[in-house]
Amino acid sequence: AQKITQTQPGMFVQEKEAVTLDCTYDTSDQSYGLFWYKQPSSGEMIFLIYQGSYDEQNATEGRYSLNFQKARKSANLVISASQLGDSAMYFCAMREHLRGGFKTIFGAGTRLFVKA
Amino acid sequence: GAGVSQTPSNKVTEKGKYVELRCDPISGHTALYWYRQSLGQGPEFLIYFQGTGAADDSGLPNDRFFAVRPEGSVSTLKIQRTERGDSAVYLCASSLKGAGEDTQYFGPGTRLTVL
Repeated sequence: AQKITQTQPGMFVQEKEAVTLDCTYDTSDQSYGLFWYKQPSSGEMIFLIYQGSYDEQNATEGRYSLNFQKARKSANLVISASQLGDSAMYFCAMREHLRGGFKTIFGAGTRLFVKA
Repeated sequence: GAGVSQTPSNKVTEKGKYVELRCDPISGHTALYWYRQSLGQGPEFLIYFQGTGAADDSGLPNDRFFAVRPEGSVSTLKIQRTERGDSAVYLCASSLKGAGEDTQYFGPGTRLTVL
């Protein structure tokens, strides 16, 4: 079963505008973590932001914020004031506590294109 | 400080050969993870080490894949009798404790091509 769903294969945004990248997840755990990573064309995975399932406030890190709606099982990433350097693949991921450890499942990703 | 490093950066091999991929985690990180990323896909979990032991190896696709971390630091992913379908980028990540909220820091990956 699909655990992490990113329904937008590609997104376009005008420079300096905000963009929301969608992510929904499926888990029966009460305790889990949600992450967003950025992968530029160079290939490295860059951690952006983390939200714990028990965190009541939405996580924010600079221009990144996570719109966490637990009842709807969604964890959308909002990038404010887009920059050309934000053009990259973005992956949503969930960490569950399984088999005595923590396993991280990634979505298929959304490719973001920032237009000048 | 140094990040996660992986060697080699590229590996080309022939079908049926044996390959080893190496990962050097961030110093002091107890948890180490291996993922496989095929073109256009997100990383796929393979195995996770807590110290020297494999805490979860449920992502290894079959018994041709094996990974070790004998001293709790460097890890080697070993693939026997490689197949063309094994071609992918193999990513390694490490985290401080392996706890749920831990951030995983990724290496640059090894691109494996099986001809």
